Amino acid sequence: EDQVTQSPEALRLQEGESSSLNCSYTVSGLRGLFWYRQDPGKGPEFLFTLYSAGEEKEKERLKATLTKKESFLHITAPKPEDSATYLCAPSNQAGTALIFGKGTTLSVSS
Amino acid sequence: DGGITQSPKYLFRKEGQNVTLSCEQNLNHDAMYWYRQDPGQGLRLIYYSQIVNDFQKGDIAEGYSVSREKKESFPLTVTSAQKNPTAFYLCASTLTGASYNEQFFGPGTRLTVL
Repeated sequence: EDQVTQSPEALRLQEGESSSLNCSYTVSGLRGLFWYRQDPGKGPEFLFTLYSAGEEKEKERLKATLTKKESFLHITAPKPEDSATYLCAPSNQAGTALIFGKGTTLSVSS
Repeated sequence: DGGITQSPKYLFRKEGQNVTLSCEQNLNHDAMYWYRQDPGQGLRLIYYSQIVNDFQKGDIAEGYSVSREKKESFPLTVTSAQKNPTAFYLCASTLTGASYNEQFFGPGTRLTVL
């Protein structure tokens, strides 16, 4: 069965304190893994797509990496505006849909 | 601006009533999706459509119905058979139905059953 687990559920950081969010998945024949940012009461905003193990993508203070079983979202020197829930979503084995994790809620204080 | 619109933003329903949530996109995307999000839960797929006049059930389709008569529109009806409809509903679209294409989301509709 296709599954995805994100950890931690919640993360509190001081401004400038770097950290990583984890996404563990069990999907055979992964076609893609997606990261989204979601602010309260809004729709998810697309961040990255990763297609193969070893791939990395960066955007401002965020860097996403992918292995055969996990993906990490690294946040370098975060700012309060980075506070949000980050969602991970690998594609399912059938290639028809995404499987969303429950998310990691990040709070960055100044 | 290209994007996905959902209406209304907030919707209140009495028990036993059917309600329809609107989703429109002007991105010329082939595939469209409906998700439900509950507090502390991941997004769960209700229905999806890869082409006009065709749609498939997702993981939690019971109590919901959809139609896809136009490429731009994918309305979701929450029927009285849905036992716990209070949730945040999200519509998404993607260029094709292939799961390696990123999905773009609308702003969501929050449905509350009174």
